[in-house]
Amino acid sequence: DIQMTQSPSSLSASVGDRVTITCRAGQGIGIDLGWYQQKPGKAPKRLIYAASSLQSGVPSRFSGSGSGTEFTLTISSLQPEDFATYYCLQHNSYPQSFGQGTKLEIK
Amino acid sequence: QVQLVQSGAEVKRPGASVKVSCKTSGYTFTTYFMHWVRQAPGQGLQWMGIIDPASGTTYYAQTFLGRVTLTTDTSTSTVYMGLSSLGSEDSAVYYCVRDLAAAGDLWGPGTLVTVSS
Repeated sequence: DIQMTQSPSSLSASVGDRVTITCRAGQGIGIDLGWYQQKPGKAPKRLIYAASSLQSGVPSRFSGSGSGTEFTLTISSLQPEDFATYYCLQHNSYPQSFGQGTKLEIK
Repeated sequence: QVQLVQSGAEVKRPGASVKVSCKTSGYTFTTYFMHWVRQAPGQGLQWMGIIDPASGTTYYAQTFLGRVTLTTDTSTSTVYMGLSSLGSEDSAVYYCVRDLAAAGDLWGPGTLVTVSS
């Protein structure tokens, strides 16, 4: 099974800040990684697929990068609606696996 | 309109079983795999398994092996997730997800299962 290690687990930031979240895979997964945003009481929403491709309709302040074992999600300028929990997901092999999540809070 | 409609909240006793449904509409049922993901209160997302509605082929996460069963009813375009020998640790929101992480990625609204004596 592939373990996904996501960091940090929580992050305090202000509107306008640039933030980066990292996911490390226990073995190489190519670019078989997605990033999801989840708000309380809602199903997750995909932001990024194939490690760096922006899902249609997602603001361009979100970007993803990486391949192999190390991946990042960057929000270039935080907006109030971005405060949520973020998860990475590897879908290179079964069982698919999520990172532990990063809760992004307002400073 | 493409939709995933899940069954309502359930309350179960420890040791019981639960069966959650995910009725699909608006697309060809057999085109996309269906995944199940759960989330315990205040916790992260946990992948449970997958079913290919075209063939019935399944793959389950080791954690759930022997307790989870995914099935389909092609006549009603519905996927079912059954979980047996419930414990308090199974209290969670259960999501069906079409084509997780792929082009057709679409999440159901979730079904809350509470296990309590």
